Amino acid sequence: DTAVSQTPKYLVTQMGNDKSIKCEQNLGHDTMYWYKQDSKKFLKIMFSYNNKELIINETVPNRFSPKSPDKAHLNLHINSLELGDSAVYFCASSPWGPNSPLHFGNGTRLTVT
Amino acid sequence: AQTVTQSQPEMSVQEAETVTLSCTYDTSENNYYLFWYKQPPSRQMILVIRQEAYKQQNATENRFSVNFQKAAKSFSLKISDSQLGDTAMYFCAFMKPTYNQGGKLIFGQGTELSVKP
Repeated sequence: DTAVSQTPKYLVTQMGNDKSIKCEQNLGHDTMYWYKQDSKKFLKIMFSYNNKELIINETVPNRFSPKSPDKAHLNLHINSLELGDSAVYFCASSPWGPNSPLHFGNGTRLTVT
Repeated sequence: AQTVTQSQPEMSVQEAETVTLSCTYDTSENNYYLFWYKQPPSRQMILVIRQEAYKQQNATENRFSVNFQKAAKSFSLKISDSQLGDTAMYFCAFMKPTYNQGGKLIFGQGTELSVKP
């Protein structure tokens, strides 16, 4: 199936740990994103990559490090997890250029205890 | 900076009836794009409809249509013949057409819609 897939679906971990979320798209898109949805369901962009190049970094703490090994993959690594990092993280992709609707993955619910 | 406001945190509608969700935005741009996304309880984000600001004609997708008022910076979503499967959180979103920022979406706070049988 063509889609944006991210793993894991759920992630429960303790404060101070390091964790990664993986994302892959087989839509042939050039651009990939990470969005964060907080407990009030507000969605905000974190990062955007185009062809493995970082183009948006929305003042996210440097504990968050995205990595794009190729244009079909964008992973998110989080160091020293904090309680406030608990959220749903969405990966998305789109063709390059304006007016390109984003295709979202199903989200990863991260719970930090 | 652009902002998007959805002033209705929750709404409900009877099955088969029509409901309108409000969205206003603030921008100094003349060209931009507007979207409505739906997030059902499954958490998936699904594109419902989109509108280019340079087009005067309101976008329509089956039972979903928008009322785009550029001067008023208003972009409401009308759902006709509501179905139980329309129960979801609906997000209004704005995109500025900058080639160096790709598809940066700015979202509103969302409206939780419940369709009642």
